Formats: sequence, structure tokens, C-alpha cells
Amino acid sequence: EVQLVESGGGLVQPGGSLRLSCSASGFTFRIFAMHWVRQAPGKGLEYVSAISNNGGNTYYADSVKGRFTISRDNSKNTLYLQMSSLRTEDTAVYYCVKDLSGNFFDYWGQGTLVTASS
Amino acid sequence: QSALTQPASVSGSPGQSITISCTGTSSDVGSYNLVSWYQQHPGKAPKVMIYEGSKRPSGVSNRFSGSKSGNTASLTISGLQAEDEADYYCCSYAGYTTRWVFGGGTKLTVL
Repeated sequence: EVQLVESGGGLVQPGGSLRLSCSASGFTFRIFAMHWVRQAPGKGLEYVSAISNNGGNTYYADSVKGRFTISRDNSKNTLYLQMSSLRTEDTAVYYCVKDLSGNFFDYWGQGTLVTASS
Repeated sequence: QSALTQPASVSGSPGQSITISCTGTSSDVGSYNLVSWYQQHPGKAPKVMIYEGSKRPSGVSNRFSGSKSGNTASLTISGLQAEDEADYYCCSYAGYTTRWVFGGGTKLTVL
């Protein structure tokens, strides 16, 4: 059974940093690209970042470019999102998402809430 | 403002059919056969219902179907059931520089 378990969310002051982790199991992690998608409270889904299966190719939405860094450790089956210079508008539930051959998102984690507020 | 346009809400009675539209552009929906639809119940993670425009993952009811015409994709749910009440999001690939774009979401109410 595929499982994606996020952790690391919490309350942080604007301008602060936080690192999210996503522990993956139930599939061969090193084969698949992975993504982060976020959802602000009461709002829709927003695509945030992606990383290729070997970590050599990354993507960031304009809203987070230069502030967030996606990475992965295939030996630990873990995906990361390092977030810095956090803004109030970064407040959201962050989902770790697996894709299937680049065609769609087939599994989502339960999400971790990040709150950037003073 | 979301990249893809969906109606904010739709409703239907049990047993009826409803259709949710998702309008994009020639740079996303119109260019790729990579539209997917996600169902999200309150407090839960999204779940894929349709991928590549019209394909259903294993385990998804055949009451859910998808289609595309030009820059607009559609999700149809037939034989509405109370458990279908949820938010629905469309998503499309939009090329290498933008990657993936979502619709703003549609709240489905089963009357």
C-alpha cells in the first residue's frame, strides 16, 4: 500500500524558515518524480514544486521561487521542502504528491499545516 | 485567479447527472491530453477520479466520466449519490515552464 506521510509543519513567524519532510513507502521511491501542492485555508489547490526521480531536475512556481528548495534522499525514501523567508500568504496545508509517469498525481499524503503568522 | 476556470458550485438531486466544466487555454487544456480531476472531501486529501482526460483509475466508479473539447474539459457524474458531495478540481499539464495548473475548484452539493 502506497503511503506518503508529511511532517514538519507548524507555526512560524513571517521571515522564518521551516523544513517539511515526506516519508514514502509502498512503492519504489527512486523511480518516480515527486511534487508539493499546497492549499490555503478555504482555498483551492496550488502547484508548488517538483523534483525528478534522481533529483537532477527541479521546478518551482513563481510564488515560491528563490525561497523554497525541494530535495530528496532516495536512500531514505524521503522528500523534503525547505522553506525560507516565509510570508503570511504561504500559510497552507502542504501535500506531498506522487506522480505516475508524469501524467497525473496518483497518490497524495494527508498534508501538513504551515502557518506563517506573528 | 486560478489558471483554469471552473464554476464555483453545482448541485443535483440523487440519481441525477451533473457536469463540471474546466476551461483553460491553447497552452494547457487545448495542447495536452493530460487533464485530471480530483475529488476532495472536507479535511481530506484529494483523490484522483479521472486522468488523461477520460480514464478512470482502478476502484473509481464508472459513474464518473471525463471528456475534452478544445480548451474545455468536463467531468460528468451520473446517478448522483450523497457520497459524491465534495469539492472537485481539474488539473492540466501546461508545458515545461509552467508544469501543472489547477482549476479553482467546484463545490458539488447533492440536494
